[in-house]
Amino acid sequence: KAGVTQTPRYLIKTRGQQVTLSCSPISGHRSVSWYQQTPGQGLQFLFEYFSETQRNKGNFPGRFSGRQFSNSRSEMNVSTLELGDSALYLCASRGDTGELFFGEGSRLTVL
Amino acid sequence: AQKVTQAQTEISVVEKEDVTLDCVYETRDTTYYLFWYKQPPSGELVFLIRRNSFDEQNEISGRYSWNFQKSTSSFNFTITASQVVDSAVYFCALSEWKGGSEKLVFGKGTKLTVNP
Repeated sequence: KAGVTQTPRYLIKTRGQQVTLSCSPISGHRSVSWYQQTPGQGLQFLFEYFSETQRNKGNFPGRFSGRQFSNSRSEMNVSTLELGDSALYLCASRGDTGELFFGEGSRLTVL
Repeated sequence: AQKVTQAQTEISVVEKEDVTLDCVYETRDTTYYLFWYKQPPSGELVFLIRRNSFDEQNEISGRYSWNFQKSTSSFNFTITASQVVDSAVYFCALSEWKGGSEKLVFGKGTKLTVNP
């Protein structure tokens, strides 16, 4: 059974640009969550999607957005990038037993 | 608000030593879940355990064991006979529910280095 797949794994952007990250959950999982990991703030919850609906959102500015498709794949978008957006973005999918499985993450560097 | 404290920032041990990683949490919820994850240098968070707040039985999985004590709000993780491959950052997390949605509140992590 394939795990959570995130693309791209690494990317470099400049300030002011926007970025889109993709996440394919484990087959059969309908819930997808996104987390940001930085050295200073640690792991912080961004949002959760279930059946194409955002169910929960963390304390991040509106520049951070996401969506989920009918096949449960999810994307997150960050617009007008700032240096502080440099982070590892982790996607997680949840199964019926409640366990949360994470992907390897997308490491974003903003120059 | 939920809070998870991992007081040990870094731990270094020699292979075959036992090591315990501490986790203390704060919550007002009566039902909650506690998690442990391992993060190797590759970045992926590897799921280790999910424990319901009503289940205070200790759990053992191979060389791993977990001690859940509700009275002290602690959920400690012990690795017996540590190995070099256990070197990683370990995170403890607590669930927070809102409108049917669960998010995890993570501790800052404990970096474990197992030396040969």
